Amino acid sequence: GENVEQHPSTLSVQEGDSAVIKCTYSDSASNYFPWYKQELGKGPQLIIDIRSNVGEKKDQRIAVTLNKTAKHFSLHITETQPEDSAVYFCAADPGGGADGLTFGKGTHLIIQP
Amino acid sequence: KAGVTQTPRYLIKTRGQQVTLSCSPISGHRSVSWYQQTPGQGLQFLFEYFSETQRNKGNFPGRFSGRQFSNSRSEMNVSTLELGDSALYLCASSPNPRTSWYFGPGTRLTVT
Repeated sequence: GENVEQHPSTLSVQEGDSAVIKCTYSDSASNYFPWYKQELGKGPQLIIDIRSNVGEKKDQRIAVTLNKTAKHFSLHITETQPEDSAVYFCAADPGGGADGLTFGKGTHLIIQP
Repeated sequence: KAGVTQTPRYLIKTRGQQVTLSCSPISGHRSVSWYQQTPGQGLQFLFEYFSETQRNKGNFPGRFSGRQFSNSRSEMNVSTLELGDSALYLCASSPNPRTSWYFGPGTRLTVT
């Protein structure tokens, strides 16, 4: 089945700086890659997603890039703010619906004031 | 539009008991999936339903089961609870399979 690796596990950045979280996947059939933000005591919140026919997608301060050849995708957050502090998860959909979404282990993003 | 709702939010059960968790999807969403979240294993897929039919099932023992009703609401059941079943159980809904999934707040299950 699909395997998703996510790095780093913890990321601390100064407020206003950029943050980058990287994920790799193993199944070349995967064609959908969402990113989720999870705050303490809450469920994961979908923040951005990308499909395999698109290389990059941007929504205000958040962008995602996808490299199908290398099987990796990244989340970029610019001008970080204190409210960006949370755990971020990447995921891959292996297609065919066999296994649902396969998630990475998460990145704890800490925004230092 | 209201989000995915899950009840109850917190639950404490004893080993050997069974439990039923409930999920109401976003209005108009016909697909529901369930995930288990633990510190050690992360988020793991349990099952997915569309139009009352189970489309997929993750690698969990038969003690874990679920169903979907005609109004798209879903329930999952865990029988003969084990300590290792303590986790946050998350429900997600989607307009149709293979589109964006939106998660609820989860049910925190503690097995003692």
